[in-house]
Amino acid sequence: QKEVEQDPGPLSVPEGAIVSLNCTYSNSAFQYFMWYRQYSRKGPELLMYTYSSGNKEDGRFTAQVDKSSKYISLFIRDSQPSDSATYLCAMSVLIKAAGNKLTFGGGTRVLVKP
Amino acid sequence: EADIYQTPRYLVIGTGKKITLECSQTMGHDKMYWYQQDPGMELHLIHYSYGVNSTEKGDLSSESTVSRIRTEHFPLTLESARPSHTSQYLCASSAGLAGLSYNTDTQYFGPGTRLTVL
Repeated sequence: QKEVEQDPGPLSVPEGAIVSLNCTYSNSAFQYFMWYRQYSRKGPELLMYTYSSGNKEDGRFTAQVDKSSKYISLFIRDSQPSDSATYLCAMSVLIKAAGNKLTFGGGTRVLVKP
Repeated sequence: EADIYQTPRYLVIGTGKKITLECSQTMGHDKMYWYQQDPGMELHLIHYSYGVNSTEKGDLSSESTVSRIRTEHFPLTLESARPSHTSQYLCASSAGLAGLSYNTDTQYFGPGTRLTVL
């Protein structure tokens, strides 16, 4: 069983809709949770990170973490065609000073249709 | 804006050839990483480095080797390429904020090298 599970999609939504993405994980030691966006033939870029349960908002993006259920979500409001990309969740165990090795989900491909 | 570069972006090469994938960053980051990503699959860490002259193997076994002679440079070498090495290789770096209680240690990725071995 993979440590991080993510539905590969594709997830197709009309422009303006809310995109809802999620990941489940099995390692209860994970403390640090991230969402990356990866456009075709490009490297991933960090969208949001959090290290606690609850919600974190940044513009049109909201990240949600539920450690009791080992479940994280990313919501994209007012989706745009430029949001069409693959979204990767990533998580790690915080190791002070030594940095953190990331464990990635497989990514969900999102297509926002005009 | 992350300043991390990878060359070549695309490489098609025959079996048995020796190849080196280049990765450079201008951010002065101590930590650098190599990931392997197959289409539609998750990223797997194959090598990482905490600084000059430091290299470690990642979670996924790889026949490649790396070196870290300069802070800004982290090349990956395959001595004898095989079709099973066909994949996308992504390089990343992070500042490694030692001493903080919460180490966000954000990793910045390069654009990747798409390798095809015939």
